[in-house]
Amino acid sequence: DAGVIQSPRHEVTEMGQEVTLRCKPISGHNSLFWYRQTMMRGLELLIYFNNNVPIDDSGMPEDRFSAKMPNASFSTLKIQPSEPRDSAVYFCASCRPGQSNTGELFFGEGSRLTVL
Amino acid sequence: QQPVQSPQAVILREGEDAVINCSSSKALYSVHWYRQKHGEAPVFLMILLKGGEQKGHEKISASFNEKKQQSSLYLTASQLSYSGTYFCGTEQYNQGGKLIFGQGTELSVKP
Repeated sequence: DAGVIQSPRHEVTEMGQEVTLRCKPISGHNSLFWYRQTMMRGLELLIYFNNNVPIDDSGMPEDRFSAKMPNASFSTLKIQPSEPRDSAVYFCASCRPGQSNTGELFFGEGSRLTVL
Repeated sequence: QQPVQSPQAVILREGEDAVINCSSSKALYSVHWYRQKHGEAPVFLMILLKGGEQKGHEKISASFNEKKQQSSLYLTASQLSYSGTYFCGTEQYNQGGKLIFGQGTELSVKP
């Protein structure tokens, strides 16, 4: 089975440009998470969805960040305009809730974003 | 809200044991443990659901004390392959599945 698929794997852009990160969760998984990882802040939860509905976006840094999940097989994280402090690895993860509210998370390989 | 892990880093010789702790100021519904190797994505190790529950994964086991809102990860007879950063993730009651990770513990196993 295919795992969580993220694109692009690497993105280098200039400050002020729009960045769109994409994620395809594992088929049948109805929860999707976006995390950001930096050395300073570790793994930060940005937003998560259940059944395509955003449940908690309190981790989204500011209005420059937005996320959508138009259907069960696709999600986007958009940064507009981007800033150098947005440089990080962005992970998408999906799960099928099991015994706990959140089951085992399957992470994508991440999108490494560098904003110059 | 973010759980606190200790220690931040640990260096072991192959065959030695280690304990990584995770604590929260909030009542916890579950604790998750993940391992991340350099340049890779985090990989699931185990979930603990109930007070006092213990689980095992190879020579890695964990406990969860619900009353103290603490979990510990035990690595016994460490192998080189255990090197990486270990994260605990915590889920609070009535949070609808929100999983928050600690800052991580970097484990290095030397030959």
